[in-house]
Amino acid sequence: EPEVTQTPSHQVTQMGQEVILRCVPISNHLYFYWYRQILGQKVEFLVSFYNNEISEKSEIFDDQFSVERPDGSNFTLKIRSTKLEDSAMYFCASSATSGGFYYNEQFFGPGTRLTVL
Amino acid sequence: TQLLEQSPQFLSIQEGENLTVYCNSSSVFSSLQWYRQEPGEGPVLLVTVVTGGEVKKLKRLTFQFGDARKDSSLHITAAQPGDTGLYLCAGVTIQGAQKLVFGQGTRLTINP
Repeated sequence: EPEVTQTPSHQVTQMGQEVILRCVPISNHLYFYWYRQILGQKVEFLVSFYNNEISEKSEIFDDQFSVERPDGSNFTLKIRSTKLEDSAMYFCASSATSGGFYYNEQFFGPGTRLTVL
Repeated sequence: TQLLEQSPQFLSIQEGENLTVYCNSSSVFSSLQWYRQEPGEGPVLLVTVVTGGEVKKLKRLTFQFGDARKDSSLHITAAQPGDTGLYLCAGVTIQGAQKLVFGQGTRLTINP
């Protein structure tokens, strides 16, 4: 069964360092998302991506964050200068369709646990 | 800002009992999804409800979408220890990029 994969599973970094989190969405999906979940808190939307551009981003997704689809399979989230409060689980998701009159079933990867020291 | 309030946040019951988890909002969603999340893993989609009043069954789990598409419930009949886990509801926004708005989750424990 197709699934979303993410690497690495766990990333430890020093404050101020850049990190790149990688995702391989399900192959025929067109819409890609990043969410994060701080320990003990709810899953929060960061950004959505379609047709090689950002569709929507949340207030969390400031200038320190960027996303890219460098080739036909990978979808990356870059944090330029990590802060302590960036420590969280980061989930990539993908869907075949968008919403409107069609339901938007998003399938999640296993997540990357980012620890900023 | 669209919010989904999920209740209860914690529920511990005995095997064989029935339970209901609620997901409420003042906002309308185009659809609502229920996920189950195991520790250290990503949410796994259980079901999507789309039409107001829709009811979907998944074995002993019954999901309902409110008539106004603002609320949903998950009912488990004769709960089993294997049902133990974190259940999340997530609404799909109508406007914009149809992002998911998550509730805070219900941590369910079924005791043998």
